[in-house]
Amino acid sequence: DGGITQSPKYLFRKEGQNVTLSCEQNLNHDAMYWYRQDPGQGLRLIYYSQIVNDFQKGDIAEGYSVSREKKESFPLTVTSAQKNPTAFYLCASSIGTGMTGELFFGEGSRLTVL
Amino acid sequence: AQSVTQPDIHITVSEGASLELRCNYSYGATPYLFWYVQSPGQGLQLLLKYFSGDTLVQGIKGFEAEFKRSQSSFNLRKPSVHWSDAAEYFCAVGAGRQAGTALIFGKGTTLSVSS
Repeated sequence: DGGITQSPKYLFRKEGQNVTLSCEQNLNHDAMYWYRQDPGQGLRLIYYSQIVNDFQKGDIAEGYSVSREKKESFPLTVTSAQKNPTAFYLCASSIGTGMTGELFFGEGSRLTVL
Repeated sequence: AQSVTQPDIHITVSEGASLELRCNYSYGATPYLFWYVQSPGQGLQLLLKYFSGDTLVQGIKGFEAEFKRSQSSFNLRKPSVHWSDAAEYFCAVGAGRQAGTALIFGKGTTLSVSS
């Protein structure tokens, strides 16, 4: 079954620690995305990548970093510079980089800072 | 700048009653429009999409949406709501950035279904 796998589903972190959220897809999609979801805020774009070894900042990239070393993988690191990291993080992918824009989502990772 | 507005934060509908969720967008060109549904603690699932052509589009689970350019709207409808439809619904517009694509989402509407 093709899809997007995010791990871990739940993650707890102490203040000052970096954490990395994993996102793997076997859909052979070119583009991958990270969104952050907070209650009542909808989804906000953190980073996206259209091709291996290339990525662009979204609307709220400060305090986050990504890499795209393989087509299938797009991990997100939440650094200690992110002032309010507690949120639900969603990874998504899409076919190609055209204007169709249909996104396929993983089931999300919930990060809680203690 | 592109934007999506979902005016209703929370709607409660009786089971079996009809449903309409509102979505208004701001976009300079012909938009690509989407409705997604999210169950608690889960990812988003695509309900339907509009790219061009017939302005009334059919989706999964008995949902439909109508694109009205004059009103900049893309409202989601269902003739008879089931208890399993309780979820959060997001409208989104396709807004290409540079050569790429990244959807802009509304803040969502939470649907509750009463018996």
